[in-house]
Amino acid sequence: SQQGEEDPQALSIQEGENATMNCSYKTSINNLQWYRQNSGRGLVHLILIRSNEREKHSGRLRVTLDTSKKSSSLLITASRAADTASYFCATRGLTGGGNKLTFGTGTQLKVEL
Amino acid sequence: DARVTQTPRDKVTEMGQEVTMRCQPILGHNTVFWYRQTMKQGLELLAYFRNRAPLDDSGMPKDRFSAEMPDATLATLKIQPSEPRDSAVYFCASGLGPGTSEGEQFFGPGTRLTVL
Repeated sequence: SQQGEEDPQALSIQEGENATMNCSYKTSINNLQWYRQNSGRGLVHLILIRSNEREKHSGRLRVTLDTSKKSSSLLITASRAADTASYFCATRGLTGGGNKLTFGTGTQLKVEL
Repeated sequence: DARVTQTPRDKVTEMGQEVTMRCQPILGHNTVFWYRQTMKQGLELLAYFRNRAPLDDSGMPKDRFSAEMPDATLATLKIQPSEPRDSAVYFCASGLGPGTSEGEQFFGPGTRLTVL
């Protein structure tokens, strides 16, 4: 089963608005990562947050992590049409599995002009 | 510009035929992952290798799927015989092992497989 469950499954916003996606996971983690997938393409790594971090920024991206609730959120500010894609969270476990990641179900984001 | 490459990009085949998908990881990466993506199941990990040795292939149907790394620059995923339910996009990803990375993975463009 998927470690991460994303919410919402689909999100449609207007260009310039902020987009927030949430991810919940089940077991303790070493880190949590967010990836983007454009239609028909492979996944691209966006940002990584370690289990001892609470917030991280990268350009227009802001990620938060609440390990007590086993949840994370990805905020994209001032969205653009080019941000239209699916976004996945992925968790790296604490023990075993080396650098194996468990991916969530994804949020489909559509940014309309 | 280092990137993971996969061939073929698209494959249409008939049920029962053998399918071989190839992946060239980023030079220097010692960990290779194979995933399958479908609308119904999402992204599933099939198998992964470190330093060419299989670490985990529990996600792979053993009776028809096999994954190998003949050398550090080539990973292969074979399906024999193929079935319509194998239709999916197959992704290869590469990365560095624990101690040298935090687990970021770099994905190839995928092979879209259609089994008729």
